[in-house]
Amino acid sequence: DSGVTQTPKHLITATGQRVTLRCSPRSGDLSVYWYQQSLDQGLQFLIQYYNGEERAKGNILERFSAQQFPDLHSELNLSSLELGDSALYFCASSGTSGGNQETQYFGPGTRLLVL
Amino acid sequence: GQQLNQSPQSMFIQEGEDVSMNCTSSSIFNTWLWYKQDPGEGPVLLIALYKAGELTSNGRLTAQFGITRKDSFLNISASIPSDVGIYFCAGQWTYKYIFGTGTRLKVLA
Repeated sequence: DSGVTQTPKHLITATGQRVTLRCSPRSGDLSVYWYQQSLDQGLQFLIQYYNGEERAKGNILERFSAQQFPDLHSELNLSSLELGDSALYFCASSGTSGGNQETQYFGPGTRLLVL
Repeated sequence: GQQLNQSPQSMFIQEGEDVSMNCTSSSIFNTWLWYKQDPGEGPVLLIALYKAGELTSNGRLTAQFGITRKDSFLNISASIPSDVGIYFCAGQWTYKYIFGTGTRLKVLA
């Protein structure tokens, strides 16, 4: 168990809908990262938050947004969903904002299926 | 997005054989990480490397941080069926993590 929790584990919805994925980082970790993994593909970095503030953006669509709350949990919002958004969405956390000896731990993921 | 070059992409091996995979990059990293991912699950951290030249073991796994800081390898000795999965390397620099494309390992009993 990595200590990173994600809910829900599975999500089935229809095109055009909006969903929210939730992540709680490991105790004490300030950074949260979101990744998308399509079937048999690698991990695509979406966005990172550090202590409530956006730190880095990857290949995140404009239809997607995220935030990190004062208690450090994070939510990823996906709107106007399309079939191609079906994927595994992972959250990961790390201790600091990017110093040496950084290690990232992953949650179990949310499997999103858009029908 | 940016990714590391990881090879091989996939491999079939006999149970008991040793396995070697590596990652290379044109950029230097502060940290190299190796993860294993089972189908439908989140990547699990296997080994973390923090210093150029560092050689670290975790059971049957051994990984090294390349001297140039641009590469890393992972060896698995005496493979067993539960080693099946996808292995990812990741390089960390400041707050950025770049992932390899993965090595899909299949073990034949």
